Amino acid sequence: NAGVMQNPRHLVRRRGQEARLRCSPMKGHSHVYWYRQLPEEGLKFMVYLQKENIIDESGMPKERFSAEFPKEGPSILRIQQVVRGDSAAYFCASSRGQGSYEQYFGPGTRLTVT
Amino acid sequence: QQQVKQSPQSLIVQKGGIPIINCAYENTAFDYFPWYQQFPGKGPALLIAIRPDVSEKKEGRFTISFNKSAKQFSLHIMDSQPGDSATYFCAASRTPTDKLIFGTGTRLQVFP
Repeated sequence: NAGVMQNPRHLVRRRGQEARLRCSPMKGHSHVYWYRQLPEEGLKFMVYLQKENIIDESGMPKERFSAEFPKEGPSILRIQQVVRGDSAAYFCASSRGQGSYEQYFGPGTRLTVT
Repeated sequence: QQQVKQSPQSLIVQKGGIPIINCAYENTAFDYFPWYQQFPGKGPALLIAIRPDVSEKKEGRFTISFNKSAKQFSLHIMDSQPGDSATYFCAASRTPTDKLIFGTGTRLQVFP
């Protein structure tokens, strides 16, 4: 019974490049959340998606960041023209919805911008 | 109003001790209060959670105490073990599909 899967686990990008982070939710889960964790800090919400819809993107920076959760395939968090300040751990969580509060997290993608 | 304040920032106890981590919130619309455990290099793992209609919840060695009038909740770890050494985060959300608002974390070290 696979949990939330994220890949890659580690990603190194040079300033100005693009980063693509992927998240496959737990089986039976149709709600996906992305959070960012800066070194020695707590987790900050970025975006909440259901299949083909962005429900809440109130935590997403206005520029360079985008997210999608297509009908088929994983959810993608895309960061264009990365800067050093984007270096962080990015976590995806999934939820069953249908009145369920529980969010289960993946192992994260650690992005390093050089 | 969206903040969840967590203390202490770090905690050191001996094996068998009972570490207590506290969280406070302002938004009375919060309806769900989970605790997550995170080991270095891993994702947060859901440990235990409580809704405001109960004042206490136990799961194994972990207990949440909830004080609705004071808008505070805390995590107690009974008979703590070195394997409990991790960072613990409290969180809160308003509805089943709402985002989680996290506290800043408590780094717990349990010495043998």
